[in-house]
Amino acid sequence: DAGVIQSPRHEVTEMGQEVTLRCKPISGHDYLFWYRQTMMRGLELLIYFNNNVPIDDSGMPEDRFSAKMPNASFSTLKIQPSEPRDSAVYFCASIYSPAGNTIYFGEGSWLTVV
Amino acid sequence: KQEVTQIPAALSVPEGENLVLNCSFTDSAIYNLQWFRQDPGKGLTSLLLIQSSQREQTSGRLNASLDKSSGRSTLYIAASQPGDSATYLCAVSGSARQLTFGSGTQLTVLP
Repeated sequence: DAGVIQSPRHEVTEMGQEVTLRCKPISGHDYLFWYRQTMMRGLELLIYFNNNVPIDDSGMPEDRFSAKMPNASFSTLKIQPSEPRDSAVYFCASIYSPAGNTIYFGEGSWLTVV
Repeated sequence: KQEVTQIPAALSVPEGENLVLNCSFTDSAIYNLQWFRQDPGKGLTSLLLIQSSQREQTSGRLNASLDKSSGRSTLYIAASQPGDSATYLCAVSGSARQLTFGSGTQLTVLP
């Protein structure tokens, strides 16, 4: 398997623009997580899905952030409108829970909002 | 709310040394604890996973221990190598599978 695939790897956008980050989890995995990593706050859980259903979005910072998982092989994290403080690395990760709890991370989407 | 602390924040050692990284957590009601490695510009790679009922796990030169009652875990790296240089993160999982991460220890192994 190719692992968790994220796109884009790098994005630079202007404040106020819409940003869409994409994730393809490992095939067959039933949990999908979106994390954000910054120097100041470390790794924070934004939202996670189980079998495509959002379970906990309490980590989503504000209404400008939204996430969807329309099917088992695709998820998006959208920021609209983007702000400079959203600059961070956004990671997607997935788990196949019947096989234990080893979590697999994508390589991240590096977002810079100027 | 679970909080995870890692000490030290940074560590520099000469090649060949054995070393210990520390992790502590405030809520002992955890499902498991995991240690990860993160290389610059990369995602996280899971190194070791310890279930709450276990006390340690080993993989090659790595050994991780868990003392749930005291809220502590250690990652022991034997005979360190320059290739071990990376940031090491500890994370604990509640029953709902989500992870709470520490801020990491940045390790540099000098040749």
